[in-house]
Amino acid sequence: EPEVTQTPSHQVTQMGQEVILRCVPISNHLYFYWYRQILGQKVEFLVSFYNNEISEKSEIFDDQFSVERPDGSNFTLKIRSTKLEDSAMYFCASLLFPGPYSPDTQYFGPGTRLTVL
Amino acid sequence: GENVEQHPSTLSVQEGDSAVIKCTYSDSASNYFPWYKQELGKGPQLIIDIRSNVGEKKDQRIAVTLNKTAKHFSLHITETQPEDSAVYFCAASEVTGGGNKLTFGTGTQLKVEL
Repeated sequence: EPEVTQTPSHQVTQMGQEVILRCVPISNHLYFYWYRQILGQKVEFLVSFYNNEISEKSEIFDDQFSVERPDGSNFTLKIRSTKLEDSAMYFCASLLFPGPYSPDTQYFGPGTRLTVL
Repeated sequence: GENVEQHPSTLSVQEGDSAVIKCTYSDSASNYFPWYKQELGKGPQLIIDIRSNVGEKKDQRIAVTLNKTAKHFSLHITETQPEDSAVYFCAASEVTGGGNKLTFGTGTQLKVEL
């Protein structure tokens, strides 16, 4: 069964450093998402991406964050200057195509645990 | 924006018993309600979902009910097994053909005891 993959599984960085989290969505999917989950809390939406542009973003997704689909398979989340409060599990998800006649399932990857020291 | 409340936060049942988890949502425009199971160290996995034009959906031991008027939906697991132990999240979304972000509840830690 196709699945979303993410690398690395765990990233440790120093405050102020840049990090790039990588995701490979399911190959024929068209919508891509990043969510984060601070330890013990609920999963929160960060950003959705379609047709090489952001379709929606949350208040969390400020100027320190950016997303990119650099090639036909990867989808990345960049945090420009990490803060302590960016420590969380980051999940990538992909969706075939939302609509009244399409499956709406978002498939999640296993996550990248980001630790900012 | 959408707000999803989920109860209980923890639920302990004996193997073979039923478990019920309840969620409420605030935005009447939401029309898609998935349930995800998250095991330790893994990403959320969809277990069942329901659209707003359906009141109930069942898949073997798992069922979801939706009350649009009251804006609440519930997950029912029958004949629970130890492998059902995990954190369960409900979510809500407005499927519009664009964006489709999920708003999650706070999660329920289900423990099935032998």
